[in-house]
Amino acid sequence: DIQMTQSPSSLSASVGDRVTITCRASQNIRSYLNWYQQRPGKAPKFLIYGASSLQSGVPSRFSGSGSGTNFTVTISSLQPEDFATYYCQQSYSTPTFGQGTKLEIK
Amino acid sequence: QVQLVESGGGVVQPGGSLRLSCAASGFTFSSYGMHWVRQAPGKGLEWVAFMRYDGNDKYYVDSVKGRFTISRDNSENTLFLQMNSLRPEDTAVYYCAKDSRFWSGHPSEGSFDYWGQGTLVTVSS
Repeated sequence: DIQMTQSPSSLSASVGDRVTITCRASQNIRSYLNWYQQRPGKAPKFLIYGASSLQSGVPSRFSGSGSGTNFTVTISSLQPEDFATYYCQQSYSTPTFGQGTKLEIK
Repeated sequence: QVQLVESGGGVVQPGGSLRLSCAASGFTFSSYGMHWVRQAPGKGLEWVAFMRYDGNDKYYVDSVKGRFTISRDNSENTLFLQMNSLRPEDTAVYYCAKDSRFWSGHPSEGSFDYWGQGTLVTVSS
């Protein structure tokens, strides 16, 4: 199985900050990388596919980049609704997720 | 709009069985592969199973092989997960999720573009 490792595991930031979350794959997954947002008590929400393509309806302050084994998701200016847990997921082979990054209000 | 509604969760003793359902609407169910994904309390997401759009192929995570069975009824727009020989480590919220690709036949290469609200399965004596 392909292991996905996110960093940091948690992050404190303020409204308006720019934040970046990193995801690393244990082997080359090309651009088969997706990102999800999960608010407490809710189902995950699909944000980004193919490492850098925004799902329809996702605000443009979200962006994704990377290929191979190293990927990032960046939120350019944090809004109150962005405080949540973020997961990366590889779709190169049988799906696996990162352990999650909890984004908290400072 | 796409809706996925899970049901069938509950409390079951170790070794017991449970059958989850996921009622789908708002899209052509028979044209998309479907997944089950679970989340143990306070933990991350784990993909569990996938069924091809036409029901002709299925895939599982190793930890549930031989115990769980995914199935679907395209005439009723419903996905199922039959869970047998349940263990305490199967305790989780179980989500059904739609694959993003039309005529998806394998769990890889796609993504989970819509999710249900989840149903909680607790395995405890």
